[in-house]
Amino acid sequence: GNSVTQMEGPVTLSEEAFLTINCTYTATGYPSLFWYVQYPGEGLQLLLKATKADDKGSNKGFEATYRKETTSFHLEKGSVQVSDSAVYFCALSLTGAGSYQLTFGKGTKLSVIP
Amino acid sequence: DAEITQSPRHKITETGRQVTLACHQTWNHNNMFWYRQDLGHGLRLIHYSYGVQDTNKGEVSDGYSVSRSNTEDLPLTLESAASSQTSVYFCASSESLAGGKRYFGPGTRLTVT
Repeated sequence: GNSVTQMEGPVTLSEEAFLTINCTYTATGYPSLFWYVQYPGEGLQLLLKATKADDKGSNKGFEATYRKETTSFHLEKGSVQVSDSAVYFCALSLTGAGSYQLTFGKGTKLSVIP
Repeated sequence: DAEITQSPRHKITETGRQVTLACHQTWNHNNMFWYRQDLGHGLRLIHYSYGVQDTNKGEVSDGYSVSRSNTEDLPLTLESAASSQTSVYFCASSESLAGGKRYFGPGTRLTVT
C-alpha cells in the first residue's frame, strides 16, 4: 500500500537556523507529493507541492524536491523564524482511481525559539 | 471570502450518545472529506463525498456516518459515541481530486467520557 514516513519530532531550533524535515514515501504508481502545515489551533494548509520527479516545490522560503530515485521529498528552509513554529505533514496523492486518497505522514512538530 | 467552518469547536459527550459534527463550506466544492487526527497517527480519512447524494467510506469509517443533501454541508454523525472516538476532527473540501489540494476547516475537538 501507500505510505509516508516522516522524521520523528519534536524538532527545536533557534531562530535563523537551517531546517530539514525528512520525508520518504512508498507508493504504487507515480504520486504527487505535498507538504501541509498546521499552525496552533488551526486546520492544515497546503505549503507546497510537486507533481513529478525532479520538480521543486517552494513557498514562504520553504523548498522540497521530488526525488524519485530515493523516494524522498525532504522539506528545507534556510533560516527559520519563530512564526514557522507549527506541525508539518508530508503527504502523497495518486492519480486515477485512488486520487480521493491523500495519505499523510504522522507529522513533525517544529518549535523555533528566539 | 470563501471559507470552511466547523461546529462546535469543542464538544464533550458521554459514551453511547449520538453526536453530530457540522461542516459548512462556501467554496462551492463538490468534494468534501472528514478526517480524524490522533497523536502518532497523523490524519486518517473517515468518509468522503464527490457530490450531492454521494458518500463513501474511508479507512476508519466504523461507527461514523455522513449524508450529503446539498453542496455546502457534510455533517458527520457518531451513532453511539465511544471513548476510542475521542479525537480532533477535520473537515476538508477540494475543487479537484487530482492535485491533492484540500481546504481544511479549523477542527472540532471531541471528548467522549
